Amino acid sequence: NAGVTQTPKFRVLKTGQSMTLLCAQDMNHEYMYWYRQDPGMGLRLIHYSVGEGTTAKGEVPDGYNVSRLKKQNFLLGLESAAPSQTSVYFCASSSTSGVQETQYFGPGTRLLVL
Amino acid sequence: GENVEQHPSTLSVQEGDSAVIKCTYSDSASNYFPWYKQELGKRPQLIIDIRSNVGEKKDQRIAVTLNKTAKHFSLHITETQPEDSAVYFCAASMGWGGGADGLTFGKGTHLIIQP
Repeated sequence: NAGVTQTPKFRVLKTGQSMTLLCAQDMNHEYMYWYRQDPGMGLRLIHYSVGEGTTAKGEVPDGYNVSRLKKQNFLLGLESAAPSQTSVYFCASSSTSGVQETQYFGPGTRLLVL
Repeated sequence: GENVEQHPSTLSVQEGDSAVIKCTYSDSASNYFPWYKQELGKRPQLIIDIRSNVGEKKDQRIAVTLNKTAKHFSLHITETQPEDSAVYFCAASMGWGGGADGLTFGKGTHLIIQP
């Protein structure tokens, strides 16, 4: 049981390049989330998904797109990377039984945009 | 949307003393309040959480208190140890069934345990 995994661990992009970050969970969780973490800013929600085929915007969605084609995977896309998107990206997942349940985080992806 | 304020940003305590970190939130609809510990270069790890139907919860040396009227909650760590040194984040969520909307985090407290 690997929990929440993220690919890649680290990536360097040039401004304007595109990339996709992959999050996978093996806990059969319905909910999945993408956060970014910047120094002194805590974690901020980018997008989230409450089930396969559904996504919603979080606090800072601009410049990102997401897809949830399979229950266990949640993809975060950057179509045209900008230096402001240099950050550490964390994926998380949680189950639900009608109340908020614990969110489990992946190990993070460090992205540097030059 | 929800706004979570966390204080202090840095807290230095002597080993064995207690540490208290405080958070306030803005949305009275929030009803779930977790605390995460994050060591350098690692992922956030849940250490304790509380829901709005209780006022206090304890787990060994860690406790959380919630005052819904004042919209604030606090983390208490007693008998601090060197391994408690880390960044601690509070968070809030409405989290009602049918659509968990993610967590709103505070900006973090860097806890330093002095030997």
